[in-house]
Amino acid sequence: TQLLEQSPQFLSIQEGENLTVYCNSSSVFSSLQWYRQEPGEGPVLLVTVVTGGEVKKLKRLTFQFGDARKDSSLHITAAQPGDTGLYLCAGAWSGGGADGLTFGKGTHLIIQP
Amino acid sequence: SQTIHQWPATLVQPVGSPLSLECTVEGTSNPNLYWYRQAAGRGLQLLFYSVGIGQISSEVPQNLSASRPQDRQFILSSKKLLLSDSGFYLCAWSAFTGSFETNEKLFFGSGTQLSVL
Repeated sequence: TQLLEQSPQFLSIQEGENLTVYCNSSSVFSSLQWYRQEPGEGPVLLVTVVTGGEVKKLKRLTFQFGDARKDSSLHITAAQPGDTGLYLCAGAWSGGGADGLTFGKGTHLIIQP
Repeated sequence: SQTIHQWPATLVQPVGSPLSLECTVEGTSNPNLYWYRQAAGRGLQLLFYSVGIGQISSEVPQNLSASRPQDRQFILSSKKLLLSDSGFYLCAWSAFTGSFETNEKLFFGSGTQLSVL
């Protein structure tokens, strides 16, 4: 069973600060997705990273896939209250079928004004 | 554009009562459909998925069942709810073409908060 560990579990910082959250596994994933979920809503896909070492930017969010494709990080620059939410990573593994996404437990992020 | 509808948004049910949650997708055909449960501290747990009408795969043993009577309709049911069935239930769809290895995406509904008392 492929497991994804996300850290930290909870993070509360002030507006304007930078932060990094992590998604780690002992398994190699073919690709990794990051979702953001707001309270009472379903997760929304932010990005998919596919290639080892790949870096993708989405405005103030920077996503990186580890060289060995076992880990990923999400860095937010100058965090804003609108970034508040649950950040989930989800990994797809080689040979996985329609059920082939494993989700981490998420990082609860609160940005205080 | 594609949309996914899930209802009800909130449900409070007594132990032992039946359950029926419905999910429909619009704007696409032959989607893969999923039911997830999200409980505090446990992350997103895949309960059922379906690749076509009448085709249901179960990921975990439980007293829940799923059905897909139409191409874009997915129903989650229980005959008798348990306290442990409480949680946030999410329906999702994907335009799955073979593997999540590349750019398959999951699109989630807005969820149903189920409290079993």
